[in-house]
Formats: sequence, C-alpha cells, structure tokens
Amino acid sequence: GENVEQHPSTLSVQEGDSAVIKCTYSDSASNYFPWYKQELGKGPQLIIDIRSNVGEKKDQRIAVTLNKTAKHFSLHITETQPEDSAVYFCAAPPWSSGYALNFGKGTSLLVTP
Amino acid sequence: NAGVTQTPKFQVLKTGQSMTLQCAQDMNHEYMSWYRQDPGMGLRLIHYSVGAGITDQGEVPNGYNVSRSTTEDFPLRLLSAAPSQTSVYFCASSPDRGQRTEAFFGQGTRLTVV
Repeated sequence: GENVEQHPSTLSVQEGDSAVIKCTYSDSASNYFPWYKQELGKGPQLIIDIRSNVGEKKDQRIAVTLNKTAKHFSLHITETQPEDSAVYFCAAPPWSSGYALNFGKGTSLLVTP
Repeated sequence: NAGVTQTPKFQVLKTGQSMTLQCAQDMNHEYMSWYRQDPGMGLRLIHYSVGAGITDQGEVPNGYNVSRSTTEDFPLRLLSAAPSQTSVYFCASSPDRGQRTEAFFGQGTRLTVV
C-alpha cells in the first residue's frame, strides 16, 4: 500500500517566519495530495490540496509544491502567526483502496510570538 | 448544516465490553471512513465504505466491524474491547465526484479501555 513519510515531527518557529513541512510517498499512481490541519480537540480540516497535473498551488499564506518525479510534496506557510500552531498532516491516496487516504504521522507546529 | 456528527465524544469501557461508535453525515456523501489516531502514529484507516451496502478493510481492521445500511450512517462496532483500542476515533466522509476531493472529519470520539 501507499507509504507516506512526513518530516519533521515537530517544528518551532517565531511569529513571522516561514515553516516548511515535507512528505514523501511511495505509490507512483497517487494523484491527489491534501494537507490537513488539526487543532487541539478537533478533527482534521483540509487547508490545501494539489493534484498531480500541477506543480504548485497557493492560497494566501500557504502553498503546496509537488515533485512527482521525486515523489515528494511540501507545505509552505509564510508569515506564520500564533493561530497557525496546530498539527499538520499530509496524505496520499493509494489507488487500490478507493477514496481512502494514507496519512503521514503529523507535524506539530508551534509558532511563538 | 451539521456535517459529520460523531457520538459519543468520550467513552470509557471495560476490557471485553462491546460498543458502537456512531457516525452520521448529512451531506449525501457516498464515501465514508473510520480512522484511529494514536500519539506519534498519525491517522490510520480502520474501515471504509464507498456506498450503502459496500464496506472494506483498511490498514488496522482487526477487532472492529462496520456496516453501511444507509448513505447517512456508518457505525463502528468494537466486538470485545481491549486496552490496545484506547484511541481517538475519527469518522470522515467525502463526495464521490469521480476524483478524490476533500474529506470532512467529525470531532472525534475519545475511547479509553480499562
């Protein structure tokens, strides 16, 4: 099945700095790569996603880049704010299991004022 | 619009007890799934369903049963609870639009098995 590796597991940045989280996947047939944000005590929520026919997607302060050849994708958060503090998960769908998602183990991001 | 609703939010079980975690969605989504979240392990897929009457196993299905008799509901049954099933459980749904798209998650059920 799909194996998704996510790094780093924890990340601490100062407010205003950028944060980058990286993921690699194993199934070359995967074509959809979402990022989820999970705040304390809540379920994960989609913040951005990218499909394999594009290399980069931006939405205000967040962006995702995809390198299909190397099978990795990254989340970039610029001008970080304390409310960005949360756990972030990348995911990739193994083609064989319908609409299931295999998640990375998560990155705990702390933005300090 | 309630989205994905999970009940209960918290539950304590004794080893060997059985229970059902409820999940309901009001978005008419075809696809539903159950995940468990453990510290340092991310979200692991337990079971999923691509429509009413169709279910399949995920990565960690042992000790759990599911059924999908309606589009709206996807309950998860623990047959004989074990301490290893202490976890936070999330239900998710997504529309079948011919391509993968956003999964909507419930608020989670925190289960402790003693």
